[in-house]
Amino acid sequence: QVQLQESGPGLVKPSETLSLTCFVSGGSISSYYWSWIRQAPGKGLEWIGQIVYSGKTNYNPSLKSRVTMSVDMYKNQFSLKLSSVTAADTAVYYCARVFGSGVYSSPYNWLDSWGQGTLVTVSS
Amino acid sequence: EIVLTQSPGTLSLSPGESATLSCRASQSLTSYSLAWYQQKPGQAPRLVIYGASTRATGIPVRFSGSGSGTDFSLSISRLEPDDFAVYSCHQYGTSPHTFGQGTILEIK
Repeated sequence: QVQLQESGPGLVKPSETLSLTCFVSGGSISSYYWSWIRQAPGKGLEWIGQIVYSGKTNYNPSLKSRVTMSVDMYKNQFSLKLSSVTAADTAVYYCARVFGSGVYSSPYNWLDSWGQGTLVTVSS
Repeated sequence: EIVLTQSPGTLSLSPGESATLSCRASQSLTSYSLAWYQQKPGQAPRLVIYGASTRATGIPVRFSGSGSGTDFSLSISRLEPDDFAVYSCHQYGTSPHTFGQGTILEIK
């Protein structure tokens, strides 16, 4: 069974870049789409974007100018960078797998496996 | 983007009762592309329903999803203590994916 684990700094200063990595175990990162989602304290879930093993990305337009996602197939992990952060970016960040591999792989599927999430606080 | 509005914001019920949660989309969803997730404090969301009405692996038959177009619902019969959580809907048929703000299902 696939497992996802987020890692990265829990505290980032305003205007700096937030960097997180999601390590995938129990399965290959290839053939799937992978997503990042965040949840600000007391708020609903927000889709940040997704990436496929080939490196193709799709970002939420609201964050597109500040987001970069990448994938490392050799390390079986994918990453998120969010630049110029402010206090509004304080949230629990989740990585998740999009259902479907091979011919069933699609960016338009549900999220079937999630990491535990990591809290990132933006503060000086 | 498609806005999902969930109602009610909070639903207070007792174990044994039945719950109906609503998710309304600002425009018609493509191909029943709606999922429901259950989230407990400090935990990651857990997939409950996908394709508007298909139960995810391990989800009891007490959970059922229905709806099409812009109106969807999640029903839970014979509530058990473990069912009390936050439930969020998610449309994945159109980019950007979007989520509802969540319904808190709490013990009365």
